Amino acid sequence: EAGVAQSPRYKIIEKRQSVAFWCNPISGHATLYWYQQILGQGPKLLIQFQNNGVVDDSQLPKDRFSAERLKGVDSTLKIQPAKLEDSAVYLCASSLSIRQPQHFGDGTRLSIL
Amino acid sequence: SQELEQSPQSLIVQEGKNLTINCTPSKTLYGLYWYKQKYGEGLIFLMMLQKGGEEKSHEKITAKLDEKKQQSSLHITASQPSHAGIYLCGADNGQGAQKLVFGQGTRLTINP
Repeated sequence: EAGVAQSPRYKIIEKRQSVAFWCNPISGHATLYWYQQILGQGPKLLIQFQNNGVVDDSQLPKDRFSAERLKGVDSTLKIQPAKLEDSAVYLCASSLSIRQPQHFGDGTRLSIL
Repeated sequence: SQELEQSPQSLIVQEGKNLTINCTPSKTLYGLYWYKQKYGEGLIFLMMLQKGGEEKSHEKITAKLDEKKQQSSLHITASQPSHAGIYLCGADNGQGAQKLVFGQGTRLTINP
């Protein structure tokens, strides 16, 4: 079974630029999550999708972050404009449904200069 | 809001020794998840505990949730270099969407 795929693995941009991350969940997984993990901390949930609908985006900084899940499969997370404090690893996870174990991709490491 | 306290924050043990990592939630939880993370990689699911007093094992790793669901522990027997990494516990409060809140992690180093 193929795992959660994320790209790119690394991204370096200057502040105020925009960036986008892509995630392909495990086939058949209805629930998809985006987490932000700052160095030395545990992951923090940004947004959760159930199929192509948003279930929870209470911790997503909506003035600069946006996410979509087209056709209930792949998802993209965008930051525009980026700030220095956005430097982190962005992890995508998926699960068969809510309350099932989440399976994570390897993440995208974002550095803001 | 839920917070998870993990202890210790870091741990260095000799290969072959046993060790225990603790996770204490600040509020009642529905389920408790244990994950392992290696540097530069994503989280690997280890175990999920939902019932008070529940205990699960996989190879040399055992996770327990106390009767009142107020603390969980992860125990590794006869540690090996492959056990090195960051161990994270995550709590599901059981309200609406499955919003996992993670602890800050325990960094485990195994010395040969």
